[in-house]
Amino acid sequence: GIQVEQSPPDLILQEGANSTLRCNFSDSVNNLQWFHQNPWGQLINLFYIPSGTKQNGRLSATTVATERYSLLYISSSQTTDSGVYFCAVVIYNQGGKLIFGQGTELSVKP
Amino acid sequence: KAGVTQTPRYLIKTRGQQVTLSCSPISGHRSVSWYQQTPGQGLQFLFEYFSETQRNKGNFPGRFSGRQFSNSRSEMNVSTLELGDSALYLCASSFTHSGSLSGANVLTFGAGSRLTVL
Repeated sequence: GIQVEQSPPDLILQEGANSTLRCNFSDSVNNLQWFHQNPWGQLINLFYIPSGTKQNGRLSATTVATERYSLLYISSSQTTDSGVYFCAVVIYNQGGKLIFGQGTELSVKP
Repeated sequence: KAGVTQTPRYLIKTRGQQVTLSCSPISGHRSVSWYQQTPGQGLQFLFEYFSETQRNKGNFPGRFSGRQFSNSRSEMNVSTLELGDSALYLCASSFTHSGSLSGANVLTFGAGSRLTVL
C-alpha cells in the first residue's frame, strides 16, 4: 500500500534557527496536507498543497508531485513551533482516507 | 465560523463497556471522517461519511461503527471496549468527500476525544 515517510523523526533547534521537514510518498496523490499537532492533541491545518509552493508567514511548503515529495520550511523558529508535524495524503483515485506519516517531533529551545 | 466540535473531550470506561463519541462538523461541510491516534500505531483512518453514506472504512473490527445524520453531525460507537482501544479519537470535516479532485476536500480536525479504557 501507499507509504508516507517523514524525516527526520526528531529535531531539536535553537530559537531563531531554520529547518526543513520532508515528506516522501509512494503514489500519486490528490490531496496533501501538513498539520501541526499542538500539546493538547489538536491537528492544526498548515497547508493544503498537493502541488506547488505556498507561504504563510514564517512557514512555507513545496510539493513536487512528479517526484513524490513535499517539504515544509520553518524559518526563524519560535518555542511555540514545538510539537509534532504531520504530512498526510489522499491517494489519487482511492479517495476516502487521509494517510498520515509518522510525524516529525520538533523541539525549539529558548 | 465555529470549528469542528467533538464531545466528550475526555472519558474513562472499563473493559466490556461501549462508548459513543459525537462530532459536529463545520457548518456547510458534508463530509466527516474519523481517525484513531495511538502512540504505537500513529494516526489511522476509521471511516468517512458523506451525505449520510459511509464512503470508506479502515481496517478496524466490526466493534467500531459510525453513522451520519441529515444535519451532517456524526457519531462513532465502540462496543465491547478493550484496553487497546485507549486512544485519541479525532474527527475531521470537509466540504466534499476526500476523494474529490475539486480542492474542496481540505480536512479540518476537531480537538479530539481522549478515551481511556481501564
